[in-house]
Amino acid sequence: GDSVTQMEGPVTLSEEAFLTINCTYTATGYPSLFWYVQYPGEGLQLLLKATKADDKGSNKGFEATYRKETTSFHLEKGSVQVSDSAVYFCALSDPRLGNAGNMLTFGGGTRLMVKP
Amino acid sequence: DVKVTQSSRYLVKRTGEKVFLECVQDMDHENMFWYRQDPGLGLRLIYFSYDVKMKEKGDIPEGYSVSREKKERFSLILESASTNQTSMYLCASSLMSGVTGNTIYFGEGSWLTVV
Repeated sequence: GDSVTQMEGPVTLSEEAFLTINCTYTATGYPSLFWYVQYPGEGLQLLLKATKADDKGSNKGFEATYRKETTSFHLEKGSVQVSDSAVYFCALSDPRLGNAGNMLTFGGGTRLMVKP
Repeated sequence: DVKVTQSSRYLVKRTGEKVFLECVQDMDHENMFWYRQDPGLGLRLIYFSYDVKMKEKGDIPEGYSVSREKKERFSLILESASTNQTSMYLCASSLMSGVTGNTIYFGEGSWLTVV
């Protein structure tokens, strides 16, 4: 079945450093791709998404480009802040709902720790 | 704003107890989901529902059941809790549509410890 693989953490960076969190996927068809973020003690929030190949999703300084040829959706940010410390999940749309809407298959999550 | 509310943030239950985790959403979403979150494993789908009284097994349904008597409410039931069900449980909801890119909204999670 469909699956998502993302780099294991934790990733520890200093403030203002460049961030990359790798994500690759295996899927039949053409899924939509997502990054969700989970701040300490909270549920998941959508960070960004891309629905077709070569689309770039962006939000809050984070970006990710849907690369069909490499089946990847790497998350990047040019200058991280302490407030970006969280767990980041890569996900793809799961086709089991068919036309009934969206459902997600998640990667294992990557914890990011940003030090001042 | 869409709100998905999980009634209990922290629970401690004994082995063998019956446990109910309640979830309510206020945006008239057709689809609702229960996920389990464990370190290194990410989120794994337990059950989902696309309509009242409809339910489908996800990837790890064993030991769980669900109930959806009203559109806004989706309950997860542990018939006889076991220590390996100690975990964080996340409820989510989304609109029914033919589009796979629509957003799924999550609750804040319920931390369950089974002793």
